[in-house]
Amino acid sequence: GAVVSQHPSWVICKSGTSVKIECRSLDFQATTMFWYRQFPKQSLMLMATSNEGSKATYEQGVEKDKFLINHASLTLSTLTVTSAHPEDSSFYICSARDLGALAKNIQYFGAGTRLSVL
Amino acid sequence: AQSVTQLDSHVSVSEGTPVLLRCNYSSSYSPSLFWYVQHPNKGLQLLLKYTSAATLVKGINGFEAEFKKSETSFHLTKPSAHMSDAAEYFCVVSEGNTGNQFYFGTGTSLTVIP
Repeated sequence: GAVVSQHPSWVICKSGTSVKIECRSLDFQATTMFWYRQFPKQSLMLMATSNEGSKATYEQGVEKDKFLINHASLTLSTLTVTSAHPEDSSFYICSARDLGALAKNIQYFGAGTRLSVL
Repeated sequence: AQSVTQLDSHVSVSEGTPVLLRCNYSSSYSPSLFWYVQHPNKGLQLLLKYTSAATLVKGINGFEAEFKKSETSFHLTKPSAHMSDAAEYFCVVSEGNTGNQFYFGTGTSLTVIP
C-alpha cells in the first residue's frame, strides 16, 4: 500500500529557532500533499495544501511566512516552522494523495511530528 | 458544503462486545466517505472507504461501515472489540472521487475494557 514517511517524529527546539519537517511518499508520486496541525484531544486542522512545483495554498488564519512549505519534487514536501515559539508546539501531520490510484482522493498520512518549543 | 458529525466523543465497550461508532455527514455532492484510526502519537491509518460503489464497505481489522444515503449516515461497526482497537477514530467526507479537501469529524475515542 501507499506509504508516507514523516521525519522527524519528535523534535525539541529553543524559542526563536527554525525547524524543518519532511514528508515523503515512498512508493508513489504525490503531486498534492497536505499539512495538518492537531491539538491535544482535537481533530486535525488543515494548514495548507502543497502542490508540486507551485506555491502552497494556505488556509485562512495560517501565517505563510511562519509556516514555509516547499514541494520541490513529486515525492517530497517540507514544512519549516520559522522562529518557533512555545505556542507553535503541536502535533503536525502530513498526508499525500496517490493520483495513480483509482480512488484519487484518498489521503495517506504520515506518522506525525511532535514539536515542542521551549 | 461538506461537514461531518461524530455523535459520540467517547465510546467505551467491553472486550469481545460489538462496537458502533456513529457518523452523519452533509454534502452538496455525491460524497466519498472514510474512516481513519489514530493510535496515540501516531498518524492516521485508513480503515475503509466508500466511493459510490457497494454501500456496505468492509475494511481492515474486521471493521465495516454502511453508507445510508436516506439517513446521511456512515456508521462504523465491528462485531467483537479487541484491546488493540482502543484508539481515536475519525470520520471524513470528501467531494466525489476527486475532491481535494477532507472534512474531518471531531473524532471518537474508543476505550476497550478487558
